Amino acid sequence: GQSLEQPSEVTAVEGAIVQINCTYQTSGFYGLSWYQQHDGGAPTFLSYNGLDGLEETGRFSSFLSRSDSYGYLLLQELQMKDSASYFCAAGRRALTFGSGTRLQVQP
Amino acid sequence: NAGVMQNPRHLVRRRGQEARLRCSPMKGHSHVYWYRQLPEEGLKFMVYLQKENIIDESGMPKERFSAEFPKEGPSILRIQQVVRGDSAAYFCASSPPEDRGANEQFFGPGTRLTVL
Repeated sequence: GQSLEQPSEVTAVEGAIVQINCTYQTSGFYGLSWYQQHDGGAPTFLSYNGLDGLEETGRFSSFLSRSDSYGYLLLQELQMKDSASYFCAAGRRALTFGSGTRLQVQP
Repeated sequence: NAGVMQNPRHLVRRRGQEARLRCSPMKGHSHVYWYRQLPEEGLKFMVYLQKENIIDESGMPKERFSAEFPKEGPSILRIQQVVRGDSAAYFCASSPPEDRGANEQFFGPGTRLTVL
């Protein structure tokens, strides 16, 4: 089985940097993915880490440390449109999602 | 290239009725996944299918739920004799057959099922 833990809520201001952490326990590990979901919307893929280290995609970066069973999503230069829920997910095809972190960006 | 399509977007059923949810994957995608999401919760994996085959149904309740992905046409998630606890958003996702697709899944807009 797999379980992922992430904070339930994070608040930050426009232009700031925010880090959303995810710790996991898995019986087999195939990497960590991150998804964004706006209220009422569909999840959208953001990033994937199969190996240790940092992956950068524009304003978003994701990090993985397999020895620590830990990863994070880093959002830079926050914009109001980044207000959404962010989910880490593990597994191969049959993904197990964390319960999500609701990010609120304030002016 | 059209994205993943799901219909209906909203579905209302009375207890005991059947619900049929449809999903058309993105063009070129041969893998389909169904997830369920309750309000304020994460997505829960239900079933993973390839054309004409169920690969993993470990997340699907043993009774009343079934899924198929026929050779022609959309994937269908079928819920028989619905109960109030089935009320949720049901998301379909698809991915290409390459290994990268194992983790990068493309989600449809979801079907919001309400059971009265």
